[in-house]
Amino acid sequence: QLQLQESGPGLVKPSETLSLTCTVSGGSISSSNYYWGWIRQPSGKGLEWIGSMYYGGSAYYNPSLKSRVTISVDTSKNQFSLKLSFVTAADTAVYYCARHSTVAGPSTPWGQGTLVTVSS
Amino acid sequence: EIVLTQSPGTLSLSPGERATLSCRASQSVSSGYLAWYQQKPGQAPRLLIYGASSRATGIPDRFSGSGSGTDFTLTISRLEPEDFAVYYCQQYGTSSTFGQGTKLEIK
Repeated sequence: QLQLQESGPGLVKPSETLSLTCTVSGGSISSSNYYWGWIRQPSGKGLEWIGSMYYGGSAYYNPSLKSRVTISVDTSKNQFSLKLSFVTAADTAVYYCARHSTVAGPSTPWGQGTLVTVSS
Repeated sequence: EIVLTQSPGTLSLSPGERATLSCRASQSVSSGYLAWYQQKPGQAPRLLIYGASSRATGIPDRFSGSGSGTDFTLTISRLEPEDFAVYYCQQYGTSSTFGQGTKLEIK
């Protein structure tokens, strides 16, 4: 059974870079035609798609975040990562990693999510 | 950006009743790339429906999706106690956007 698990700092300072990693277990990140992506959810609010990457190297980003986002894949570790630069309090959210069947969805399974707070 | 508007914001029903949730898009959703998710407090969303009407693996057949173009519906034919949650629609045909959610609560 495929499982995803997010990891990374829970607290990031304003203007710095948020870095998260998603570890995939129960299957290979490069064995199938899936995309590996990130979605976030501010507390008590809705969901926002951040972006995704195909293991072969193509990345796709939400236009509203594109200038600050980088998603990468490490097939040797069966992981993929998110970097979001120049963060502000508005980037405080639960960040989920998920497998997508196409560039931007549908998404299943999901990781349990990790809360990242942007504060000095 | 395609804006998805879900209605109602909150739906109060009793177990055994039928639930009808709506998702309207600001422009046509390409290829019917519309999904529905269920989210319970403290949990990640769970995929219910994709391609507007296909049930995801393991999803009970009381959940069904319909619609095309700009109007989509999620129907739960007979509510079970575990169905009370927040439901989101998502379009993934042009980048991706989510609706603001419908909270299904026990009456």
